[in-house]
Amino acid sequence: GEDVEQSLFLSVREGDSSVINCTYTDSSSTYLYWYKQEPGAGLQLLTYIFSNMDMKQDQRLTVLLNKKDKHLSLRIADTQTGDSAIYFCAERLNAGNMLTFGGGTRLMVKP
Amino acid sequence: NAGVTQTPKFQVLKTGQSMTLQCAQDMNHNSMYWYRQDPGMGLRLIYYSASEGTTDKGEVPNGYNVSRLNKREFSLRLESAAPSQTSVYFCATQASGQFLYGYTFGSGTRLTVV
Repeated sequence: GEDVEQSLFLSVREGDSSVINCTYTDSSSTYLYWYKQEPGAGLQLLTYIFSNMDMKQDQRLTVLLNKKDKHLSLRIADTQTGDSAIYFCAERLNAGNMLTFGGGTRLMVKP
Repeated sequence: NAGVTQTPKFQVLKTGQSMTLQCAQDMNHNSMYWYRQDPGMGLRLIYYSASEGTTDKGEVPNGYNVSRLNKREFSLRLESAAPSQTSVYFCATQASGQFLYGYTFGSGTRLTVV
């Protein structure tokens, strides 16, 4: 079955690295995504990774995918106060158009 | 370039009242979705429409109905609002086969049922 899990909360200091983790259960995931939700706003796509990749880097963002352990992580280097938000991982299965979302991780960045 | 527009942004209803949440997109996307977001529960799919003229139930459809009026618009109706429907509602869209880009979300409707 489909289940995507994330820890609820992460607190870091400005300038540190943040690592947000996600686990999923369905091995037929094709694409995995990270979304960012700022207060009072909708979700915005941050980045994605295809299931045949292990790592993807995009400026301050690094996505790591461990298919064996069904583990996805998002690393934010040099975390800034503007990175404070809720981060959602999501998976797309082979079956079709649908995405399954995790519960979201609230990142708090302290100055 | 509006993307996905949801109206209203905020609404307070009394128990038993009805209302329709509107979603309109100008991206020519085929698929549209309604989610609700509750603290600690992430996003839960209410209904979706894979294409104009089709709708299907998601994870939590009870108490809701939808209409895919045309390709642009997908509305969500609460016939008799209950306090348990207090939530933030998001509409999302997706182009067929454009898997790299995932969903595009509206900015949400914050609904309180008292």
